[in-house]
Amino acid sequence: RKEVEQDPGPFNVPEGATVAFNCTYSNSASQSFFWYRQDCRKEPKLLMSVYSSGNEDGRFTAQLNRASQYISLLIRDSKLSDSATYLCVVLTVRAGKLIFGQGTELSVKP
Amino acid sequence: GAVVSQHPSWVICKSGTSVKIECRSLDFQATTMFWYRQFPKQSLMLMATSNEGSKATYEQGVEKDKFLINHASLTLSTLTVTSAHPEDSSFYICSATGGTGVYEQYFGPGTRLTVT
Repeated sequence: RKEVEQDPGPFNVPEGATVAFNCTYSNSASQSFFWYRQDCRKEPKLLMSVYSSGNEDGRFTAQLNRASQYISLLIRDSKLSDSATYLCVVLTVRAGKLIFGQGTELSVKP
Repeated sequence: GAVVSQHPSWVICKSGTSVKIECRSLDFQATTMFWYRQFPKQSLMLMATSNEGSKATYEQGVEKDKFLINHASLTLSTLTVTSAHPEDSSFYICSATGGTGVYEQYFGPGTRLTVT
């Protein structure tokens, strides 16, 4: 079983749609959680950290459920520029490294 | 701030040759640098962690004699792919932290290696 699992997609949605990405992680000792965005042939860029209380940044909302070991990202009012691959990332401090999911590809169409 | 550069951005080499990739932190001192590899449609996989002035720590399954890492200064780490083969063709990305630990990693733009 992979340490971090995501639905690879692709998700094809029209502009203005709301789309949700899910992620599960297997290591209950994981301590920090992030969503990164990666454009084609580019490096990943931090989109937002994820907290148990849930957090929002504009059109983006992230949620963490530690009991279920589940992370989500909600994008409202999708824009063409949101087209990218979204990576769920988990950090276990003891291991001292980030573990990346394989990413979920989003394509927003006009 | 917190800019990480990589050089070259892409390279094509013949099978059996060695390729060196540089990772530089431009405006901060990187106590730790990480090297990742990403195959198409797959996750970033950590290859090794390097701390300035000490030997790199390699992840399980990564051959340390094939992927030589040198972190000689607080702003430069190099990854040398020795005796490259077509299966080494991949996207290699480095990241660096500046003392806040693994929480905050700044990624380089990546190097696309193609071995023919």
